[in-house]
Parts: sequence; structure tokens; C-alpha cells
Amino acid sequence: GAVVSQHPSWVICKSGTSVKIECRSLDFQATTMFWYRQFPKQSLMLMATSNEGSKATYEQGVEKDKFLINHASLTLSTLTVTSAHPEDSSFYICSAPPIGPRTQYFGPGTRLLVL
Amino acid sequence: AQTVTQSQPEMSVQEAETVTLSCTYDTSESDYYLFWYKQPPSRQMILVIRQEAYKQQNATENRFSVNFQKAAKSFSLKISDSQLGDAAMYFCAYRSAETSYDKVIFGPGTSLSVIP
Repeated sequence: GAVVSQHPSWVICKSGTSVKIECRSLDFQATTMFWYRQFPKQSLMLMATSNEGSKATYEQGVEKDKFLINHASLTLSTLTVTSAHPEDSSFYICSAPPIGPRTQYFGPGTRLLVL
Repeated sequence: AQTVTQSQPEMSVQEAETVTLSCTYDTSESDYYLFWYKQPPSRQMILVIRQEAYKQQNATENRFSVNFQKAAKSFSLKISDSQLGDAAMYFCAYRSAETSYDKVIFGPGTSLSVIP
């Protein structure tokens, strides 16, 4: 089946620094990718929709200046957490639907810990 | 806006027995997809089963089957012959079929334990 990768899988950073998370579709092209955040023992909450070649669409309550999204190519979307704080510590998951099929594929997730 | 509700935060089942996880949803759309995803401790999301709203026949995948009641907006998951590897978080999810690349909306999840 189709594969979505994320890098890094695990990151620890100091408060105030920025962290970039990559989401790649390895064997298909995706004009749209989705970024989710999951706190412990909670569900996945959609943060934003990443669109290749255009601006991302953010969900209500998500700060676009804090969570920068860039969809530079048909196989890569990046999420940058700027000036990270301890409350940004979470599990970030991306997903991508291939062009054509209606199924979405999820990346393995990135654990972010901000000290 | 669409919402997905799972009323059972936790469930348990004896190994080899059958368990049913409940899910209800709210939408004004007529064309959509419903999913059950499994999230084991690794936290990788795994698609368990998918149902197209226009299909009356309930989807089945080996030991997993659904009871899809469109009028009642209910979508339950039945796991037969439960195995230890079935222990995980299970999320019911909704996705519109009216656009090509729409987002998936997840329910709050049900934590399933399997008792040996």
C-alpha cells in the first residue's frame, strides 16, 4: 500500500526554539496533506490542510503564525512549530490522500517534547 | 459541521469473544465515507474498515464487520474472535465524499482491552 513518512519521529527541544517536521508521500503524489495533533489519551484534532502551491487552510483556533505549513512539492509538506513552548508538546500526525483513490494514508507521527 | 461521537471511552473483551464498539455521527450530507481506525501503542493509525454511505451492504474485513444504519446515523464495529493484538484505541471517523480531498473527522475514541 501507499506509504507516508514523517521526520523526525521524535524531537526534544528547548522552549523558544523552532522545530520543523516533514511529511513525505513516498510512492504517490498528493496535492493535499493534512496535519493533526494528538494529546495523550485524546483523539486526533485537525490543525490544518496543506495545499501544494497555495496557502494552507487552518482550523479555527490554530495560530497560523505559530504553526507554519509549506507544501513545496507534490510529495512533501512541512510543519514548523515556531517559538515552541511546553504546551506545544504533543504527537503530530500527517496524512495524505493519493490523487484518484479516496483513501487517506497516515504517517507514523512525530513526538514533540518542549522543555 | 459534522461530528462523530463514541459513547464508550473504554471497553474490554475476553479473548476469542465478540465485542461491539459504538459510533454515531451527525451530518447533513448524503454522500460520505465512514471509517474505523485502530491506533495501537505504536500510535500508527491503521485502517480497519471503510463504508461508503451509498452502499446498503455492511462492510466486512475478516473478523471485523460494521452495522451501518444510515437513517439512525449509527456505525458500530463488531470484532469477532477477539485476539490479544486487537487491544488498541479505536477511532470512528467521517469524511465527506462531496469533495475530492476532504479532511477526516475523528471521534473521541474507545480504548479496547483484551483479557487473556
